[in-house]
Amino acid sequence: GESVGLHLPTLSVQEGDNSIINCAYSNSASDYFIWYKQESGKGPQFIIDIRSNMDKRQGQRVTVLLNKTVKHLSLQIAATQPGDSAVYFCAAAGRKGGSEKLVFGKGMKLTVNP
Amino acid sequence: NAGVMQNPRHLVRRRGQEARLRCSPMKGHSHVYWYRQLPEEGLKFMVYLQKENIIDESGMPKERFSAEFPKEGPSILRIQQVVRGDSAAYFCASSFSRSDTQYFGPGTRLTVL
Repeated sequence: GESVGLHLPTLSVQEGDNSIINCAYSNSASDYFIWYKQESGKGPQFIIDIRSNMDKRQGQRVTVLLNKTVKHLSLQIAATQPGDSAVYFCAAAGRKGGSEKLVFGKGMKLTVNP
Repeated sequence: NAGVMQNPRHLVRRRGQEARLRCSPMKGHSHVYWYRQLPEEGLKFMVYLQKENIIDESGMPKERFSAEFPKEGPSILRIQQVVRGDSAAYFCASSFSRSDTQYFGPGTRLTVL
């Protein structure tokens, strides 16, 4: 039978630009957040994580910002490269100090144009 | 330093057959999680196991689905009497401890004809 799926939101950027991907969560008990990158046909790949006692964390070319007041999370990618093209998911866990039972967002498809 | 391994990568079953999906966690990891992903959607938690024990199966359908993680060998997700709605990608993740990062395998793509 026919199935209808939700289309992924898409962000298109030029190579070298900075990218910002946003995520909202609903459970105020969430205390651990992760960003994953998923390329076509592959499993999610860990990018960066942050715990609720922080509001910013930096990695290599990536920064995650957490605003607990409005339950908002963002991933910033500096100098975006074609290899960054993928679907990006945020995930949250609600168990204090733990990371089990991740709740995933719907995802954002990032396309980097050379 | 092998990551999480899953097999088979692709599995085709006819309605009513059984599907067995295997997951070998990263070396040193004793916590395993199974997730299901439908096309263009995020992953949905199914079950969390720690060696020989099911810790949380709140995301697992009550019928036809079961999971195990024996003392020796991989974790198995078993789906009995598959239906077309079971077609999806099934991902396994593992972590060193309950509070550590989950690392994902490449997934098994199940197609039910």
